[in-house]
Amino acid sequence: DVKVTQSSRYLVKRTGEKVFLECVQDMDHENMFWYRQDPGLGLRLIYFSYDVKMKEKGDIPEGYSVSREKKERFSLILESASTNQTSMYLCASKGTGGTREQYFGPGTRLTVT
Amino acid sequence: DAKTTQPPSMDCAEGRAANLPCNHSTISGNEYVYWYRQIHSQGPQYIIHGLKNNETNEMASLIITEDRKSSTLILPHATLRDTAVYYCIVRVTLTGTASKLTFGTGTRLQVTL
Repeated sequence: DVKVTQSSRYLVKRTGEKVFLECVQDMDHENMFWYRQDPGLGLRLIYFSYDVKMKEKGDIPEGYSVSREKKERFSLILESASTNQTSMYLCASKGTGGTREQYFGPGTRLTVT
Repeated sequence: DAKTTQPPSMDCAEGRAANLPCNHSTISGNEYVYWYRQIHSQGPQYIIHGLKNNETNEMASLIITEDRKSSTLILPHATLRDTAVYYCIVRVTLTGTASKLTFGTGTRLQVTL
């Protein structure tokens, strides 16, 4: 059974803290994504990675960075958390091929106070 | 990506078939129809996709009309665990950041006893 796991389901952090969200997939997928999901705004792509150490900015990269040192792991970093980064964060992975589906992790609900 | 229209909500009795419609009248010839669902507070889950022909897998069936302007997702024997928001997406095969998923508002399916 395919699996995408995220390090935390719920996280509460203070404004200004550096936050690390970890995502691991066991499907040997080349492509990995970080989205955030907010009510009324749907899914928005933060960053995408198509290979180890390779990344591309998505639609809303400001305030975020990513790291992909190993194929199976894709980390999202909030350099200095702010209250407007309170959201549901979703990691996904996808194999090579345009029609391949994306597999999502369970999500991390981050609250920044 | 072509725009899709789905009813905001539907009810279905447990054990009955759930038929979820999607209109995509502006679909172009190279665009696929994808269905995902999202159970409350979980990550989205891929269900099925198709181009022209009807498709079936262990989760559902996808019926695409001959003119491809609409489709129906069928859950043959709905259970309470199928209660979720169902998203219909129409897209070409894409790679890189363009392979990001964009969800509309979807159909909230409520399965009842």
